[in-house]
Amino acid sequence: NAGVTQTPKFRVLKTGQSMTLLCAQDMNHEYMYWYRQDPGMGLRLIHYSVGEGTTAKGEVPDGYNVSRLKKQNFLLGLESAAPSQTSVYFCASSWDPYTGELFFGEGSRLTVL
Amino acid sequence: ILNVEQSPQSLHVQEGDSTNFTCSFPSSNFYALHWYRWETAKSPEALFVMTLNGDEKKKGRISATLNTKEGYSYLYIKGSQPEDSATYLCAFYGGYNKLIFGAGTRLAVHP
Repeated sequence: NAGVTQTPKFRVLKTGQSMTLLCAQDMNHEYMYWYRQDPGMGLRLIHYSVGEGTTAKGEVPDGYNVSRLKKQNFLLGLESAAPSQTSVYFCASSWDPYTGELFFGEGSRLTVL
Repeated sequence: ILNVEQSPQSLHVQEGDSTNFTCSFPSSNFYALHWYRWETAKSPEALFVMTLNGDEKKKGRISATLNTKEGYSYLYIKGSQPEDSATYLCAFYGGYNKLIFGAGTRLAVHP
């Protein structure tokens, strides 16, 4: 049982380049989240999805886009990367954030030069 | 903007000490409070999900209490061990499908 899988694990980009992070979960969860983790700031919510075909903005959505075309996958896109987007990105999924825990992927470390 | 605050920011204790830290959250629109343990180079893992005022949860030497009326939760570790060293995160769920995290308390347990 893989749980939540993120790809790639590491990536270095130049300013202005684009890329997509893929999150895949095999637990049939409806809820999926993308967070970024920066020193001293904990986890900040970028975007989230409450089911296939739905997405919504979190606390820090600017500069990112997401898509949830299939229930098991949640994609995070950077259209034009900026150094401020250098961070570690975590995907998480849950069957219900009210009473159920979040399951996290291993993280994706992105560096924008 | 929801404010979830954790204190202290970091904590150093000796092996065998008991310790506790605090998570403060909005007292209105409360649905749930989550606690996660996050070891270095790993992913956060859930400790507790608490939904009821006055709720107490326990897992081994770790326990948590919840006061939704005043907006705080305490996490206690009894007899800290070096393997307890980690960052402990709390997260507030106020509906709207979003889980908002605090910045965490970094615990270091010294042998």
